Amino acid sequence: KAGVTQTPRYLIKTRGQQVTLSCSPISGHRSVSWYQQTPGQGLQFLFEYFSETQRNKGNFPGRFSGRQFSNSRSEMNVSTLELGDSALYLCASSLSPGQETQYFGPGTRLLVL
Amino acid sequence: QKEVEQDPGPLSVPEGAIVSLNCTYSNSAFQYFMWYRQYSRKGPELLMYTYSSGNKEDGRFTAQVDKSSKYISLFIRDSQPSDSATYLCAMRDSSASKIIFGSGTRLSIRP
Repeated sequence: KAGVTQTPRYLIKTRGQQVTLSCSPISGHRSVSWYQQTPGQGLQFLFEYFSETQRNKGNFPGRFSGRQFSNSRSEMNVSTLELGDSALYLCASSLSPGQETQYFGPGTRLLVL
Repeated sequence: QKEVEQDPGPLSVPEGAIVSLNCTYSNSAFQYFMWYRQYSRKGPELLMYTYSSGNKEDGRFTAQVDKSSKYISLFIRDSQPSDSATYLCAMRDSSASKIIFGSGTRLSIRP
């Protein structure tokens, strides 16, 4: 069974631009969560989607948004990029929300210049 | 104060040693406790999870939860160089699907 895939793997953007990251969950998994990982703050929860609905949201500004499609694939968007948005963005999938056995993708490393 | 505190390390031990990794937390509602391992340039992978207090063993790994002290531990026996990675503790309560992660401990096993 294929794991969680994330595209692109690396991205360089400049301040003020916007970016869209994509996540394809494991086949059959319907819950997708997004995390931001930085050396200073560690892994921080962004949001979780299940059945195309956002179920939970972390403490991030409205510039961070996401959505989920009917095939469970998910995208997250960051608008008006700031230098502090440079991070590893991780996507995790599970069969349903709240499961401990969530599987992470390799992440998208975003650098904002 | 963070909800979950974890010593960032780095922690360096010789091959074959017993490794002890720990986290403390402040939210007494946490019921589910997990340990993830993250190799460089990879996403975290789930190693162990336990519900409520107690011990759980899986091969060379043992997870312990002491809810009265709000303290969880991961022990690695007969450590191997391949165990070198960052170890993240994580936890959540029974109602929320949001998982709170520790900052991770960087572990290095010297051959």
